[in-house]
Amino acid sequence: QSALTQPASVSGSPGQSITISCTGTSSDIGAYNYVSWYQQHPGKAPKLMIYDVDKRPSGVSNRFSGSKSGNTASLTISGLQAEDEADYYCISYTSSSNSWVFGGGTKLTVL
Amino acid sequence: EVQLLESGGGLVQPGGSLRLSCAASGFTFSSYAMSWVRQAPGKGLEWVSGISNTGGSPYYADSVKGRFTISRDNSKNTLYLQMNSLRAEDTAVYYCAKDLDALSVTKVFMDVWGKGTTVTVSS
Repeated sequence: QSALTQPASVSGSPGQSITISCTGTSSDIGAYNYVSWYQQHPGKAPKLMIYDVDKRPSGVSNRFSGSKSGNTASLTISGLQAEDEADYYCISYTSSSNSWVFGGGTKLTVL
Repeated sequence: EVQLLESGGGLVQPGGSLRLSCAASGFTFSSYAMSWVRQAPGKGLEWVSGISNTGGSPYYADSVKGRFTISRDNSKNTLYLQMNSLRAEDTAVYYCAKDLDALSVTKVFMDVWGKGTTVTVSS
């Protein structure tokens, strides 16, 4: 199965907002809401930030939000903070292989 | 405290086998679907396999189908990944992770992760 497509890197200044896109197909993101986003700091295990396209787990800042349009899901981080600097990954169920597939990951740099 | 602890990683030759374990504690293990996710050195995350809370519905990435087998023992609160015919490209840190929702279909919304166990496939 093909990985979902994410930009390799994005950057923003403290206080700004950024959006990370995750593009799939009509067999995955376009057809299902089994989309979630993960934050990973170097040397650490990933952390669930958004699930079911736009839901936030308990304890995750409301500066993080998710959305979907067609075959593309997006993660928006508002009010950027230094601690948001990390790698971000999307994942979706895909019916083409009855499995789940991650995006390639996006490195967020807070300038 | 909800915890997952992976074990069983190590150095194995190409073509060899290894069985990973993931010991769960602090939650009702039998109520949650579970997954294995791996990360090759310097690379991104790759979902490997998932299993329903009852163990009746395994899922696999194409890259491991036919070589890896996921299973669970709810009486021992333990998840397993049997890895056969290992290749150099299977070298990675392997994480186990718990689904968010109890008694639900497998959704792979992974809210709790272990620290990972390292598998190195090399001669």
